[in-house]
Amino acid sequence: GESVGLHLPTLSVQEGDNSIINCAYSNSASDYFIWYKQESGKGPQFIIDIRSNMDKRQGQRVTVLLNKTVKHLSLQIAATQPGDSAVYFCAESFSGTYKYIFGTGTRLKVLA
Amino acid sequence: GAVVSQHPSRVICKSGTSVKIECRSLDFQATTMFWYRQFPKKSLMLMATSNEGSKATYEQGVEKDKFLINHASLTLSTLTVTSAHPEDSSFYICSADRDSSTDTQYFGPGTRLTVL
Repeated sequence: GESVGLHLPTLSVQEGDNSIINCAYSNSASDYFIWYKQESGKGPQFIIDIRSNMDKRQGQRVTVLLNKTVKHLSLQIAATQPGDSAVYFCAESFSGTYKYIFGTGTRLKVLA
Repeated sequence: GAVVSQHPSRVICKSGTSVKIECRSLDFQATTMFWYRQFPKKSLMLMATSNEGSKATYEQGVEKDKFLINHASLTLSTLTVTSAHPEDSSFYICSADRDSSTDTQYFGPGTRLTVL
């Protein structure tokens, strides 16, 4: 079936450095992509989203890049802080279905 | 904002009992809510889509009679785990679609269910 996957299960970065979390998706019909942050024992927190008619979108300290040619999504976090430590999930969706397919998740560890 | 709450946050029950979990959208109305299940260190698995005023749509492999979903109002959906068994122990998370034009789901804090 269709799936969303991540290349790195765990990413360790030094505080202050930039982080890049990658995600591959397989459903070429997906047109909406979202990044969530999940801290231990809590629900996912919306970070940023992007639609398939864009290839880049910026938020506060975060940027999402979408490469539809290779079906790749990435989340860039600038000046990573200890509070960024969490598991990050990408999700894909197709407009109108309201259903998300989540990736397997990447744990981000910020080293002091 | 788009705040979604869940109650209870944690529940421990004996095998064979039923447990009800509530999901509420606090500052918006949600025609559609979703129920997910998450195992430790795993991703979220969609269980069902809850539609206000109609029957829920269950994902393949999810037992309808086991996981009863009711979406009685635009701000409340409930998930009842019937005759719970230890294998039902999991982290249950709901989400709500605030605006159907954006497809963005906002998630609740989750409910940790432990069945003894």
